[in-house]
Parts: sequence; C-alpha cells; structure tokens
Amino acid sequence: KAGVTQTPRYLIKTRGQQVTLSCSPISGHRSVSWYQQTPGQGLQFLFEYFSETQRNKGNFPGRFSGRQFSNSRSEMNVSTLELGDSALYLCASSLVGQNEQFFGPGTRLTVL
Amino acid sequence: AQKVTQAQTEISVVEKEDVTLDCVYETRDTTYYLFWYKQPPSGELVFLIRRNSFDEQNEISGRYSWNFQKSTSSFNFTITASQVVDSAVYFCALRRTGNQFYFGTGTSLTVIP
Repeated sequence: KAGVTQTPRYLIKTRGQQVTLSCSPISGHRSVSWYQQTPGQGLQFLFEYFSETQRNKGNFPGRFSGRQFSNSRSEMNVSTLELGDSALYLCASSLVGQNEQFFGPGTRLTVL
Repeated sequence: AQKVTQAQTEISVVEKEDVTLDCVYETRDTTYYLFWYKQPPSGELVFLIRRNSFDEQNEISGRYSWNFQKSTSSFNFTITASQVVDSAVYFCALRRTGNQFYFGTGTSLTVIP
C-alpha cells in the first residue's frame, strides 16, 4: 500500500506570493491533517479535514487555508507569504476509527 | 488545556548504552491516546506506538519499551542497547477525542559509534 505522498517536496517563494501544497492520503484514509514544523515552534497543528469538511483548526491566521476533495486528497494554501512561513509542512492521514496518523515526507517551503 | 512536555532537548549516548526519553502530558480528558513518533534525518515521521488512557500496561517491542504511568502523567520511552540507526528526533504526542494531536517539542537523540 502506498504511503502518504506530498507534492512538491521543495518550494522556494518570495514574500507576498501564495503557495499551494498537495497531499494524497493512504488509500482508504478519509482524515487528513496538516502540520507546520519549524525549529523554534516544533510541530504545530494547522487543520484537519474529514469527508471534505474542516473538522478541527489550529491557531493560525486566515492566510492559511485548506480543502479536501471527494477522493480525500487535500490541498493547503498560504497566501501573502511571510518570511516566518518558511517551514516543513507535514500532512498526515488516518483511518476512521483508528487513532494513529501516518505522515508524508513533507514539503519544505522557503520564503525569501 | 492539552500540553505535552519533552524536557530533554538533546541527548547523546554511546552505542550500546540504554537511553530513556521522557514525556509528560497534561489533559483533563478521561479518554485520550498517547503516541511516540520517530523523525529520522529524512524528515518523515514514523509511528512507533499508541497507548490509550485505560491501558497502563508497559510494552516492549524488541529494543524499545514504553512506561505509561497515569499517576505521574508520564509516557516514557526507553531504547535498550542503542544503535547508530536510532539517531533521530523523537516526538511524544497526545490525541484527545476529536482527532486533534498535540505534539511535544521533540528530543534529538544522537548515538555515537
């Protein structure tokens, strides 16, 4: 079974631009969560989607948004990029009723 | 509020030594789940173990063992006879009902050959 995949793996953008990251969960997994990982803040929860609906949301500004499609694939979007948005963005999927999340390799975003 | 504390930021041990990674959590929920993940240099978090709040049995898996104590809100992780391949960042996490995870800040383990 294929694992969680994320594209692109690396991204370089400049301040003020916007970016879209993509995540394909493990087949059959309907819950997708997004995390931002930085050296200073660790792993911070962004949001979780289940059956195309946002079920949980972390404490991030409205510039961070996401969506989930009917095939469970998810995208997250960051608008008006800031230098502080440079981070590793991780996506995780889980089965309904199961508790562990399985993570993708992440997208490393650098904002110049 | 939910919180996970990993007080050890960095640990270095010599190969074959035993090492314990500490995790202390805070929650008012009676039902919750605890996890350990490993993040090798490649960056992908690897699931190691899950424990629910009603199961305080310790668990051993090869060289890995976990000690869950509700009385002290701790879920510690021990690696016996450490190996260089164990070098990674280890995260402890808490999941409450509703599927939101709270991660600790991680412990970076370096095993010196």
